[in-house]
Amino acid sequence: GENVEQHPSTLSVQEGDSAVIKCTYSDSASNYFPWYKQELGKRPQLIIDIRSNVGEKKDQRIAVTLNKTAKHFSLHITETQPEDSAVYFCAARGYGQNFVFGPGTRLSVLP
Amino acid sequence: DAGVIQSPRHEVTEMGQEVTLRCKPISGHDYLFWYRQTMMRGLELLIYFNNNVPIDDSGMPEDRFSAKMPNASFSTLKIQPSEPRDSAVYFCASSFGTLTDTQYFGPGTRLTVL
Repeated sequence: GENVEQHPSTLSVQEGDSAVIKCTYSDSASNYFPWYKQELGKRPQLIIDIRSNVGEKKDQRIAVTLNKTAKHFSLHITETQPEDSAVYFCAARGYGQNFVFGPGTRLSVLP
Repeated sequence: DAGVIQSPRHEVTEMGQEVTLRCKPISGHDYLFWYRQTMMRGLELLIYFNNNVPIDDSGMPEDRFSAKMPNASFSTLKIQPSEPRDSAVYFCASSFGTLTDTQYFGPGTRLTVL
């Protein structure tokens, strides 16, 4: 089955700097890769996703890149703000598969 | 729309008791998912339904866990008998259209089994 790894497990950046979180997956058949943000005590919320027919997708300060050959995808947050502090989860899903989530990255944006 | 609704928000029970968690998906959504979140195991998909039919329950940990969706607006996750290791936050999520469409999570039920 699919296995998703996520790095780093914790990340601290200064406000205004960029943050990058990377995930790798094992199943080359996976074709959908969402990213979720979860604030303390709250529900996960989708922030961006990418499908395997696209290499990059951007939404304001957030972007995701996908390298199918290397089987990894990354979340990029630019101009970080304190409200970006949360746990971020990546996930992967292939045809006929369940969603498999990474273990999460705790991002702290320091003022 | 009020979003995905879950009840109860918190549940404290004793080992051996039956626990029933409830979920109301967003109206019109035809996929419903049950997840479990713990510090040790992270976020795990337990089971999902499409048009009220269970499609994949391979994530259900044991026979003590069961889930039903009697109609398009209601689902339950039951644990019987409950054990301390079942303590976790259980999320329900729903989506419309396909498995790759956006999943909207409910607020979760925090279950504590003593």
